[in-house]
Amino acid sequence: DIVMTQTPLSSPVTLGQPASISCRSSQSLVHSDGNTYLSWLQQRPGQPPRLLIYKISNRFSGVPDRFSGSGAGTDFTLKISRVEAEDVGVYYCMQATQNPYTFGQGTKLEIK
Amino acid sequence: EVQLVESGGGLVQPGGSLRLSCAASGFTFSSYAMHWVRQAPGKGLEYVSAISSNGGSTYYANSMKGRFIISRDNSKNTLYLQMGSLRAEDMAVYYCAREVYGDYVNWGQGTLVTVSS
Repeated sequence: DIVMTQTPLSSPVTLGQPASISCRSSQSLVHSDGNTYLSWLQQRPGQPPRLLIYKISNRFSGVPDRFSGSGAGTDFTLKISRVEAEDVGVYYCMQATQNPYTFGQGTKLEIK
Repeated sequence: EVQLVESGGGLVQPGGSLRLSCAASGFTFSSYAMHWVRQAPGKGLEYVSAISSNGGSTYYANSMKGRFIISRDNSKNTLYLQMGSLRAEDMAVYYCAREVYGDYVNWGQGTLVTVSS
C-alpha cells in the first residue's frame, strides 16, 4: 500500500497569516493514464470530510481561492494564503492512484 | 442536490455482524464507483472498501478482507457494507462516499458502529 506522510501534524496559525501542509507519498502518484490522483480534504469539527483540492492543484466547486495545492511525483503541498476562523479543522491528503486508496494522518489546523 | 444517507450503525458485540446501508439520491447512482471510509473516535480517515459502478469489481483494505463485503443495488440506489467478525478496533464512524475520477466528491454524514460487550 502507498503510505502518505503529512507534516506537521499540528499547525497553530494566527488569523490572517498563511499556513502550509506537506504531504509525501512512499511512491510516485503518477498514474499510468498520466494523471496524479492526489487530493486534499478538509474536516471541520463534527462534520464529514469535504473535498478541497483534486489532482494536485484543482480547487473543487465552492472552495475559496485562498486554498491552493502544488507538487508533483511524491511531494505535495496545501497552502492557505490567509487563514480564516472557518478554516479550523483537520486536513488530509489522499491518494487514489493505486488501490487501496490511502490517507495521510491528518494535520490539525488551529488558531493561536 | 446529491445526498448520501448512511444507516444501520449501532451497538454490536465482538464477533457479531452488522449491515450498513447508504441511500443515494441526486445523481445517477449506477454511473459511479462508491466507497466506504471509516474514522475511529479521535483518529484519522481509513479506507475500507470500494465497488465499481456496476458492482463487478470490489476492493478492500487488507484488515477487512474476508470479514467485510461491499455490494450495491443500483435499482434501489443503495450501497451496502456487510460486516462480520467485528472487533473492538472496527468501532468507528462509517462514511459512504461517491468517487468521481479518483476524487471523493460527496460524503454522507456517517453512521456510528460501536463494538462492545
